[in-house]
Amino acid sequence: NVVTQPPSVSVAPGQTATITCVGNNIGTYSVHWYQQKPGQAPKLIIYYHNDRPSGIPERFSGSSSGNTATLTVRGVDAGDEADYYCQVWDNSRDQVAFGGGTMLTVL
Amino acid sequence: QVQLQQWGAGLLKPSETLSLTCAVSGGSFSGYYWTWIRQPPGKGLEWIGEINLSGETNYNPSLKSRLNISVHTSKSQFSLNLSSVTAADTAVYYCARWDSRAGVPSHYYGMDVWGQGTTVTVSS
Repeated sequence: NVVTQPPSVSVAPGQTATITCVGNNIGTYSVHWYQQKPGQAPKLIIYYHNDRPSGIPERFSGSSSGNTATLTVRGVDAGDEADYYCQVWDNSRDQVAFGGGTMLTVL
Repeated sequence: QVQLQQWGAGLLKPSETLSLTCAVSGGSFSGYYWTWIRQPPGKGLEWIGEINLSGETNYNPSLKSRLNISVHTSKSQFSLNLSSVTAADTAVYYCARWDSRAGVPSHYYGMDVWGQGTTVTVSS
């Protein structure tokens, strides 16, 4: 199961960043999103398409439909600069697939 | 607060076996999938495989022939062994927990707790 992300997304402070994750029928799988800052382990920010773990701001949201899952970050600030990865659990093959990651740059 | 502490050899020669262990503290060891992920230098995340307390495993097909993940319930630890390593196995290796609800292992809630990462370099 291959999932594809754009390599980079740039957005001005205060604006909304949208990061996509494209895969065949991705909307039918469990989709999770992670934020990774340099030198740190990934951090779960969205699970099962659009739920947030405790402590994750409401500015982070997720959605998915058809072949595309989307991570939306509203009111972006410099602290959101990081790599973002989508992850899919393919229950037909009992495998995990990660997207290639998207570097979010705050201009 | 659940914590994962991982350790293992950081420098290997080609053809040797990579061995890492991850210890779980501050929470329950049962009712979860425990997993390994790696990240080559400057690259993205790659799933290696996972195990639950029943010893049921799922492996990345590209690594399956060289891979063994085991669980040590009495110690609340799980381990990764990857044989016949090459330079392509050079990466930061992470252990992580799949979150769950009601004590039932699940893949619906994401990997919520991660180890600190171990840098493994394969070089002659």
